[in-house]
Amino acid sequence: AQSVTQLDSHVSVSEGTPVLLRCNYSSSYSPSLFWYVQHPNKGLQLLLKYTSAATLVKGINGFEAEFKKSETSFHLTKPSAHMSDAAEYFCVVSMYSSASKIIFGSGTRLSIRP
Amino acid sequence: DVKVTQSSRYLVKRTGEKVFLECVQDMDHENMFWYRQDPGLGLRLIYFSYDVKMKEKGDIPEGYSVSREKKERFSLILESASTNQTSMYLCASRGVPETQYFGPGTRLLVL
Repeated sequence: AQSVTQLDSHVSVSEGTPVLLRCNYSSSYSPSLFWYVQHPNKGLQLLLKYTSAATLVKGINGFEAEFKKSETSFHLTKPSAHMSDAAEYFCVVSMYSSASKIIFGSGTRLSIRP
Repeated sequence: DVKVTQSSRYLVKRTGEKVFLECVQDMDHENMFWYRQDPGLGLRLIYFSYDVKMKEKGDIPEGYSVSREKKERFSLILESASTNQTSMYLCASRGVPETQYFGPGTRLLVL
């Protein structure tokens, strides 16, 4: 069975400091993993994806994530937070074979302090 | 550039009305999805379509139906709107490999 756990419902950092949003997954097969960002009253925008190529994945807006199979983790990081990064972030596990195997995390709200 | 559009950003309807939410994608994707998003409940899959005229129920299909007559268009229908269907509705399409692309969302208020 597949599952995804976002370990923090809310993260607050100061502008210019590093960001770490944590995601752990469980999957019987080799999954594809995604991070999406959602700004208020907007749809979800793809930040980055892992699909069994390089384990360190670079995305848009300076974000990156590392797939660690031994730890079943796919944490999202950014070296220096910007005010515009304030949003909700979703970690997603996917198996292409069926829509029922797309699992969304519960989301992490990122706040940026001036 | 990838594009998924939804017919309305905001809708206000009355209880018992029939409501149509439309979604259009321009990527020739076979798979399309409808989700609803509620605070504390995350994204929940309502229906999924894997091809024209083909559909599959998601986690919460009750009170909803869908229509996919053309590949680019996937409609969500609320046959008789109720107040508990007040929500944010998100449409997505998926191509290869496996990436979903989302529309901007429709915020529906049922009075």
